[in-house]
Amino acid sequence: KAGVTQTPRYLIKTRGQQVTLSCSPISGHRSVSWYQQTPGQGLQFLFEYFSETQRNKGNFPGRFSGRQFSNSRSEMNVSTLELGDSALYLCASSSAGARSYNEQFFGPGTRLTVL
Amino acid sequence: KNQVEQSPQSLIILEGKNCTLQCNYTVSPFSNLRWYKQDTGRGPVSLTIMTFSENTKSNGRYTATLDADTKQSSLHITASQLSDSASYICVVSAGTNFGNEKLTFGTGTRLTIIP
Repeated sequence: KAGVTQTPRYLIKTRGQQVTLSCSPISGHRSVSWYQQTPGQGLQFLFEYFSETQRNKGNFPGRFSGRQFSNSRSEMNVSTLELGDSALYLCASSSAGARSYNEQFFGPGTRLTVL
Repeated sequence: KNQVEQSPQSLIILEGKNCTLQCNYTVSPFSNLRWYKQDTGRGPVSLTIMTFSENTKSNGRYTATLDADTKQSSLHITASQLSDSASYICVVSAGTNFGNEKLTFGTGTRLTIIP
């Protein structure tokens, strides 16, 4: 069974630009969660999508948005990039939900650098 | 406020030695506690998941313990190997019903194994 895949793996953008990251969950998984990881803050929850609906949301500004398609693939968009958005963005899939006992499987992440 | 604190922040040990990582949490109502291993540049991989009723769980050379009374968990690594060099993240889930649980992440312990 293929794991969680994320594209692209690395991305360099400049301030003010926008970016879209993609995540393909494990086949059969309906829940996709997004996280931001920085050295100082650790892993922080962005949002979770389940069956094309945003089910949970973390404490991030509206510049961060996402969506999920009918095949469970998910995209995350960040508009008006700031230097502080430089981070590793991780996607995780689960058969149930991010906030349940079911195990989450993480992708390799997308390393975003904002110059 | 839900919090997860891990100690030490970093640890260096010789190959073959044992070590113990600590996780203290103030999360309520407690649902489950997870330990993840994250290699540099990769997404976290689940090691163990423990609910309130479980006080120990093993995964190969990794053994996690949970004391729900003192709200402490530990991850013990036996006979360390160079491949154990990674960050270890403690994650605590709070909530009582499916869909309303909240994950709180620790900032991790960076473990380095030297030959």
